[in-house]
Amino acid sequence: KQEVTQIPAALSVPEGENLVLNCSFTDSAIYNLQWFRQDPGKGLTSLLLIQSSQREQTSGRLNASLDKSSGRSTLYIAASQPGDSATYLCAVSFGNEKLTFGTGTRLTIIP
Amino acid sequence: ETGVTQSPTHLIKTRGQQVTLRCSSQSGHNTVSWYQQALGQGPQFIFQYYREEENGRGNFPPRFSGLQFPNYSSELNVNALELDDSALYLCASRRDSQTSYEQYFGPGTRLTVT
Repeated sequence: KQEVTQIPAALSVPEGENLVLNCSFTDSAIYNLQWFRQDPGKGLTSLLLIQSSQREQTSGRLNASLDKSSGRSTLYIAASQPGDSATYLCAVSFGNEKLTFGTGTRLTIIP
Repeated sequence: ETGVTQSPTHLIKTRGQQVTLRCSSQSGHNTVSWYQQALGQGPQFIFQYYREEENGRGNFPPRFSGLQFPNYSSELNVNALELDDSALYLCASRRDSQTSYEQYFGPGTRLTVT
């Protein structure tokens, strides 16, 4: 069964710190992986898309890496800000039409 | 470029009723997917439409059905509503049905079934 796991479920860090969010998946034959941000009760905002042929993608303070052989991806956030507080979701395309999501990591940045 | 829009924002229905949710895809996108997100969970894939045809379906019963129109907008219909159907329903669009394309999500419709 193709599954995506995100640990921890919740994380609190002081403002200004760098942090890493983790995502693991059970099947290394992925097409791509996408990181999303979700604010409470809202839709999903796409942050980064990594194709299976890529090792990482960067956007501003965000950097996402992909290691297919170990079935892992990380989202690195530099110099965290209170506005970064949200739930971060990892979603994997295993080659069919759907995205398979993890349950997310709820991030709180403490001012 | 217009993003993905959904209507209504919130909806309250009674068990056994029927509901229709609407989605307008991002400009230039011909593929629309629908997801259900229960509280505290990740979104679950319901189905996908590509050029007005359903071309993928998740583990949802037939009372969940959909349509895609020539302008690529879409509807999600749910019949015989159950309490467990209460969730955030998300619509996503992408440029084409190929999995390499990035998906863009709308703000969602919050459905409450009482």
